[in-house]
Amino acid sequence: EAGVVQSPRYKIIEKKQPVAFWCNPISGHNTLYWYRQNLGQGPELLIRYENEEAVDDSQLPKDRFSAERLKGVDSTLKIQPAELGDSAVYLCASSRGLAGSTDTQYFGPGTRLTVL
Amino acid sequence: QKEVEQNSGPLSVPEGAIASLNCTYSDRVSQSFFWYRQYSGKSPELIMSIYSNGDKEDGRFTAQLNKASQYVSLLIRDSQPSDSATYLCAVNPAGGTSYGKLTFGQGTILTVHP
Repeated sequence: EAGVVQSPRYKIIEKKQPVAFWCNPISGHNTLYWYRQNLGQGPELLIRYENEEAVDDSQLPKDRFSAERLKGVDSTLKIQPAELGDSAVYLCASSRGLAGSTDTQYFGPGTRLTVL
Repeated sequence: QKEVEQNSGPLSVPEGAIASLNCTYSDRVSQSFFWYRQYSGKSPELIMSIYSNGDKEDGRFTAQLNKASQYVSLLIRDSQPSDSATYLCAVNPAGGTSYGKLTFGQGTILTVHP
């Protein structure tokens, strides 16, 4: 079974430029998550999708960040314009979407973003 | 107070010793708890999950949960250099139908030296 796929793996941009990250979850996983991980910290949830619906985007900075999961499979996270403080690793995770609290999340390799 | 706090590291243990990693959480209604391992430059990998008070063993790993004390720990027996990584504690703060909203601690760096 293929894992969560993310691209690109690395991205270097100048501030104020736009950037987009792509994620393809594990086949059959209904729930998709985008996390941001700053150096030396644990991941922080940005947005969670159940199928194509964003059910939790309370931590997404909506002035510059946007996300979509149009067909309920792969997803794109965009930043426009990027700021220096956006430098981080952006992780995508997916889970089956089971009811209850035991759903296991599997992480992709992440995209390391550097904003100059 | 942070929602999930882990013991400050880095933690260094000799090969073959027991490594003890600790985590406390603030939300009393939390129901599910996870330990992830993250090698440098890699993504988090789930190694243990625990939902009920007590101990859960899987090979060299034992997770311990005490909901009354809001405390979860991970013991690694017979530590190996390959266990050297950052260990992340994650908590589902809401439980029930609000599954998936994991809150992570800041991680504890473990180094196992030969």
